[in-house]
Amino acid sequence: EPEVTQTPSHQVTQMGQEVILRCVPISNHLYFYWYRQILGQKVEFLVSFYNNEISEKSEIFDDQFSVERPDGSNFTLKIRSTKLEDSAMYFCASSAQPNSPLHFGNGTRLTVT
Amino acid sequence: QQQVKQSPQSLIVQKGGISIINCAYENTAFDYFPWYQQFPGKGPALLIAIRPDVSEKKEGRFTISFNKSAKQFSLHIMDSQPGDSATYFCAAVDYGQNFVFGPGTRLSVLP
Repeated sequence: EPEVTQTPSHQVTQMGQEVILRCVPISNHLYFYWYRQILGQKVEFLVSFYNNEISEKSEIFDDQFSVERPDGSNFTLKIRSTKLEDSAMYFCASSAQPNSPLHFGNGTRLTVT
Repeated sequence: QQQVKQSPQSLIVQKGGISIINCAYENTAFDYFPWYQQFPGKGPALLIAIRPDVSEKKEGRFTISFNKSAKQFSLHIMDSQPGDSATYFCAAVDYGQNFVFGPGTRLSVLP
């Protein structure tokens, strides 16, 4: 069964550094998402992306965050200047069409020191 | 109005018992209600989902009950097994593909 893949599985960075989290969505999916989950807490929506542009974004997704689909397969989340509170699991997800199941990757654990 | 409430926060069930997790929503624009199962260190995985035109959906040991008038839906896990121990998230989706997740229920099934 096709799956969403994310790299790296764990990223450690120093406060103020830039990080790029990478995702390869399922190949025939058109809608892409980033979610964040602070340890043991709920899954929080960050941003959705369709047709090469952001569809929706949450209050968490401020100016330090950006997303990009640099080619036909990758979907990236960039955090420009990381803060301690950015430490969390970041999940990429994709779906084929509106109102259809989201398929999640296994996440990238970001640790900001 | 975008919030999805979920209870209980944690649940302990004996092997073979029934696990019941409840969710409630306010926004009538939601029209798709999936449940996700998450094991430690893994991403949420779709377990079962329902649309509001039916009141119940069953897949194996998992059943969703949906009450449109009350704006509530629940997950029932029959014959619960230790392998079902995980965190369960309900979600509600509107046609704009906005997924709103509940806060999660940590289920522990004792052997």
